[in-house]
Amino acid sequence: AQTVTQSQPEMSVQEAETVTLSCTYDTSENNYYLFWYKQPPSRQMILVIRQEAYKQQNATENRFSVNFQKAAKSFSLKISDSQLGDTAMYFCAFMKHVTGNQFYFGTGTSLTVIP
Amino acid sequence: GAVVSQHPSRVICKSGTSVKIECRSLDFQATTMFWYRQFPKQSLMLMATSNEGSKATYEQGVEKDKFLINHASLTLSTLTVTSAHPEDSSFYICSASQNPGATYFGAGTRLSVL
Repeated sequence: AQTVTQSQPEMSVQEAETVTLSCTYDTSENNYYLFWYKQPPSRQMILVIRQEAYKQQNATENRFSVNFQKAAKSFSLKISDSQLGDTAMYFCAFMKHVTGNQFYFGTGTSLTVIP
Repeated sequence: GAVVSQHPSRVICKSGTSVKIECRSLDFQATTMFWYRQFPKQSLMLMATSNEGSKATYEQGVEKDKFLINHASLTLSTLTVTSAHPEDSSFYICSASQNPGATYFGAGTRLSVL
């Protein structure tokens, strides 16, 4: 079975500062995907960033980057130059590398960006 | 990019009635779709896997007779909450995958049972 753990229920960061959200996971799979999703008050799930396990290079999307440590089964999200619009719930998620497979979500981290 | 449409976005119904929620993949075919339930300030909980042309696979603890899933075509899955009661009030979200790395979520349906 796959499990995803987010140990930070709530976090806050000053606008323009940098914040890191933690995520660890457990799996016996060797090939899989890891994701960070953002869920703003509208509750629409928005993909922030995706990492394929076989790629050693950490994924980056503009102000968002990850620190993927496969051996340690760690997948943290760094948000640089935080903006007010980054305020949301953030979910870490795991998916096996199989078409039509389900997500395994962490419990989420509520991030508040303070003006 | 690919879009998943979920309808309605909000529904209010009386206790004992049934409610149908639709999930459509607009520009791709999805042999598998997923239905999640989310309580306030909690994570998404997988309810069932909807398979086109076959029976849905339900997660442990989810009543298949209460939450009927039909995946009649490659672009449409429906979730029917039968004989809804106040405890069924929740936020329901569907998702569909175009390929292993590309999954799209519907905007969700907020169900309120009076």
